[in-house]
Amino acid sequence: DAGVIQSPRHEVTEMGQEVTLRCKPISGHNSLFWYRQTMMRGLELLIYFNNNVPIDDSGMPEDRFSAKMPNASFSTLKIQPSEPRDSAVYFCASSPPGTVGYTFGSGTRLTVV
Amino acid sequence: AQSVSQHNHHVILSEAASLELGCNYSYGGTVNLFWYVQYPGQHLQLLLKYFSGDPLVKGIKGFEAEFIKSKFSFNLRKPSVQWSDTAEYFCAVNEPGGYNKLIFGAGTRLAVHP
Repeated sequence: DAGVIQSPRHEVTEMGQEVTLRCKPISGHNSLFWYRQTMMRGLELLIYFNNNVPIDDSGMPEDRFSAKMPNASFSTLKIQPSEPRDSAVYFCASSPPGTVGYTFGSGTRLTVV
Repeated sequence: AQSVSQHNHHVILSEAASLELGCNYSYGGTVNLFWYVQYPGQHLQLLLKYFSGDPLVKGIKGFEAEFIKSKFSFNLRKPSVQWSDTAEYFCAVNEPGGYNKLIFGAGTRLAVHP
């Protein structure tokens, strides 16, 4: 079991650029969650999917943020245009059906300069 | 809405000291409770969880937690901490209604000095 795989591990980009973060959930898991972690705000749930369908995106901070899950094995979180205040660690997590509790990926550390 | 409160934001201990981190949640119904640990520079890992049954739950690395329903609490304990326990600890509760959505507390940063 390779776990939840996120890429890239680190991303440094200039303000105004588009950023795409990627996540591959554990095979067989049908729920996927995107979190953002900062010192000031802690862990924030941005959006989550169930069976590839977005269930709740109320945590997405602005229209600059969008997320997709085109199939059961892949999800993206896109920021366009990026701003310095988007700098954070973005975690993806997945969970199997009928089970409460997640497995987290290693995260993507995003720095927007 | 469901919420989770962790009372201590920063805790500093010496090795071999006992640890107790507080966690309270707001929902009065049936809940599932979790403690996650995040070592410096790493992702969150499950430490222990409570679904039902014995309210005293034992997890990895000598950690345990006690669910006290009347107090809406799920405090984390360890009798003797080690330097390697330096990490941030998050309490979480599932939001009722399905989809496995977890609500996390703000976290407690633990520093253990040798």
